Amino acid sequence: KNQVEQSPQSLIILEGKNCTLQCNYTVSPFSNLRWYKQDTGRGPVSLTIMTFSENTKSNGRYTATLDADTKQSSLHITASQLSDSASYICVVSPFGGGSYIPTFGRGTSLIVHP
Amino acid sequence: NAGVTQTPKFQVLKTGQSMTLQCAQDMNHEYMSWYRQDPGMGLRLIHYSVGAGITDQGEVPNGYNVSRSTTEDFPLRLLSAAPSQTSVYFCASSYSLSTGELFFGEGSRLTVL
Repeated sequence: KNQVEQSPQSLIILEGKNCTLQCNYTVSPFSNLRWYKQDTGRGPVSLTIMTFSENTKSNGRYTATLDADTKQSSLHITASQLSDSASYICVVSPFGGGSYIPTFGRGTSLIVHP
Repeated sequence: NAGVTQTPKFQVLKTGQSMTLQCAQDMNHEYMSWYRQDPGMGLRLIHYSVGAGITDQGEVPNGYNVSRSTTEDFPLRLLSAAPSQTSVYFCASSYSLSTGELFFGEGSRLTVL
């Protein structure tokens, strides 16, 4: 069964600090890996997408990395802001095998304090 | 474009009542899906559709029905609500299941008493 595990489950940091969120997956082969940001009371919104051949992808202060060999991805947030407080969800879409249904991680809840 | 629109945003039901959560998208996406989100559980797939007239079950389909008569609409029906169906429900659509970004609605919070 395809699985996506995220760590930590929750994280509290001070404004201006950096942080890194982790995502380990068993989906193989995979088509793409996305990181979504979900603000409280809102639907998730895509931050980055990476295919199996990409190592890193940036979106402003968000940088995602991918190691397809170890099946690990990370999301690095630089110079955190209060608006970064949200849940961050790792989603992996399989390739082939008759199913393209993406597998979701349970998310990391990030709280940024002033 | 409005994107993905869900109604209602909030609903309270009594056990045994039925209701329909509406989902509409104006992006001409073939793929549409329903998820429920519970604390600590993440998003779990209920049902999905890869085009008009085609639906399939996801991870947690029991107690829910769907239909897809048009590309734009994908309603989720609860035939006899149970307290275990208290959750936040999200509809999502995509132009490509294998490579496309999922666009989510703002969610529908359902409470079953």
